[in-house]
Amino acid sequence: AQSVSQHNHHVILSEAASLELGCNYSYGGTVNLFWYVQYPGQHLQLLLKYFSGDPLVKGIKGFEAEFIKSKFSFNLRKPSVQWSDTAEYFCAVILYSSASKIIFGSGTRLSIRP
Amino acid sequence: EAQVTQNPRYLITVTGKKLTVTCSQNMNHEYMSWYRQDPGLGLRQIYYSMNVEVTDKGDVPEGYKVSRKEKRNFPLILESPSPNQTSLYFCASSLLSQALGEQYFGPGTRLTVT
Repeated sequence: AQSVSQHNHHVILSEAASLELGCNYSYGGTVNLFWYVQYPGQHLQLLLKYFSGDPLVKGIKGFEAEFIKSKFSFNLRKPSVQWSDTAEYFCAVILYSSASKIIFGSGTRLSIRP
Repeated sequence: EAQVTQNPRYLITVTGKKLTVTCSQNMNHEYMSWYRQDPGLGLRQIYYSMNVEVTDKGDVPEGYKVSRKEKRNFPLILESPSPNQTSLYFCASSLLSQALGEQYFGPGTRLTVT
């Protein structure tokens, strides 16, 4: 069955540390990939997306993600985190053969120590 | 302002008492969807709709109903709520195209069933 895995459930970092959150999916066909962020008490917002082209995509607030097709991965990175990055991060995948199906990962809670 | 609205935002009810959570979007989006968010499980899709009068089951449809009589509205109906439906519910919408995954989320409805 198709799935999206986020192996880090809770990540705790200090300010200015570098961040990498893992996302792996299990599907052999064409995919569209997304990262959403949910700040405390708020709804989900799109952070960045990949449809095609350059596998390194840049999003808002200094985040970027790299699509590595051979590894079925779409990891989220940020060189230097801030306290305001404290949030829950969700990876999501659209399976292209079933255009209406989007699968979310279970989320990674990021806590930044000031 | 482009937005997805949900009502109510908070609801406490008792087992078996029918309830409806409304969702409305003002962006003329074809695609609308309902998710529930539970700790450790991320977002799971309940139902989705690709256009008026077109609805389909997501991953966890049991115990829920939806309707799509107008493009802007997509209510979620719990005919006989049970405690295992206590959750945070999000409605989302998007254009029915490659941008399907770029979904706009509502603020969420926190439902408690006692």
